[in-house]
Amino acid sequence: AQRVTQPEKLLSVFKGAPVELKCNYSYSGSPELFWYVQYSRQRLQLLLRHISRESIKGFTADLNKGETSFHLKKPFAQEEDSAMYYCALSGPTGNQFYFGTGTSLTVIP
Amino acid sequence: EPEVTQTPSHQVTQMGQEVILRCVPISNHLYFYWYRQILGQKVEFLVSFYNNEISEKSEIFDDQFSVERPDGSNFTLKIRSTKLEDSAMYFCASSERWTEAFFGQGTRLTVV
Repeated sequence: AQRVTQPEKLLSVFKGAPVELKCNYSYSGSPELFWYVQYSRQRLQLLLRHISRESIKGFTADLNKGETSFHLKKPFAQEEDSAMYYCALSGPTGNQFYFGTGTSLTVIP
Repeated sequence: EPEVTQTPSHQVTQMGQEVILRCVPISNHLYFYWYRQILGQKVEFLVSFYNNEISEKSEIFDDQFSVERPDGSNFTLKIRSTKLEDSAMYFCASSERWTEAFFGQGTRLTVV
């Protein structure tokens, strides 16, 4: 079964501090992994996908197949980063996403 | 920038009533999805739709649920006889290909 685990429901960091949101997964094949973000009162938006290996808004995420992790990192958190972050994995047929329970990030000024 | 739109933003209905949640996907997208999020819980997949038929559905998507693309633009989710536990935020999403889904703002369904 495909499963995505985000161990932290809540995470608070000070502005300018590094932030890491953890995501672990279990999957029997080659996964496609994503980070979605939901700012207050806004829709879910794609933040990152592992195949593109790009940095968006200063965030990066590396797929570690050995540790089955896809942690989201940013070296210097900003107040506008406060949001709900969801790690997601695409299903075996490619037409559904499995979401983690989400981590609520608060950046303290 | 084109976006997925959902109506209504909030729907209150009595238990046992039928509800239809509406979505207008992004115009050139071919894949359509419904997800739901019960308050305090994770986003859960309900169904995906491609080429005018369901391509995949979860165990949540039982006979009470149905989806339709009645015309070239709308994508609807119908719940035939709502239960209290159907209260949730329902998200529609669409994608040009399966690797990136664009989500709507959601419809909050409250069953009383």
